[in-house]
Amino acid sequence: EAEVAQSPRYKITEKSQAVAFWCDPISGHATLYWYRQILGQGPELLVQFQDESVVDDSQLPKDRFSAERLKGVDSTLKIQPAELGDSAMYLCASSLAPVNTGELFFGEGSRLTVL
Amino acid sequence: GENVEQHPSTLSVQEGDSAVIKCTYSDSASNYFPWYKQELGKGPQLIIDIRSNVGEKKDQRIAVTLNKTAKHFSLHITETQPEDSAVYFCAASGSSNTGKLIFGQGTTLQVKP
Repeated sequence: EAEVAQSPRYKITEKSQAVAFWCDPISGHATLYWYRQILGQGPELLVQFQDESVVDDSQLPKDRFSAERLKGVDSTLKIQPAELGDSAMYLCASSLAPVNTGELFFGEGSRLTVL
Repeated sequence: GENVEQHPSTLSVQEGDSAVIKCTYSDSASNYFPWYKQELGKGPQLIIDIRSNVGEKKDQRIAVTLNKTAKHFSLHITETQPEDSAVYFCAASGSSNTGKLIFGQGTTLQVKP
């Protein structure tokens, strides 16, 4: 069964350091999402791509976060510099089409701890 | 802004009993309402969804109901089993029509054997 792949699964870093997360969506899925999930809360959208274009990054803290999906396939989310409040699970998801017409598939997430 | 409220935050039931989780949403333009189950250390997995042109949908032991007028939707799990224990999230589509989902805060369901 096709899955959304994410790496690393766990990352521990010190504040002010740079971190990066990688996501490989299900083959053929044009829409890719990065969500942040703080412990005990629901996922919150950071950025959405349609192919290689950003559709929604209204909740992305652009002073420290960046995301790219250069060839419209895999994607990288970067944080620089990391802050204590960035400790969370970073979830990547993909869908064949925007979710109003199809299911959203999540990866297992990358858990970030900032010390 | 867009908001989804979910209750209760924790729910404990005996095996075989029913469990009900309720959500309300703020954006009247929302038209897609999925429910996700998240097990420890894993990403959320879709278990059932409903669209605004339907009032109820059932899949074996789980069902979802939608009241668009009241902006409420609920998840019903019957004959609960220990493997149903997990965190459940409701979500509603955002008004931007980009496919953005607004998630509730989650309900931790514990099914006691």
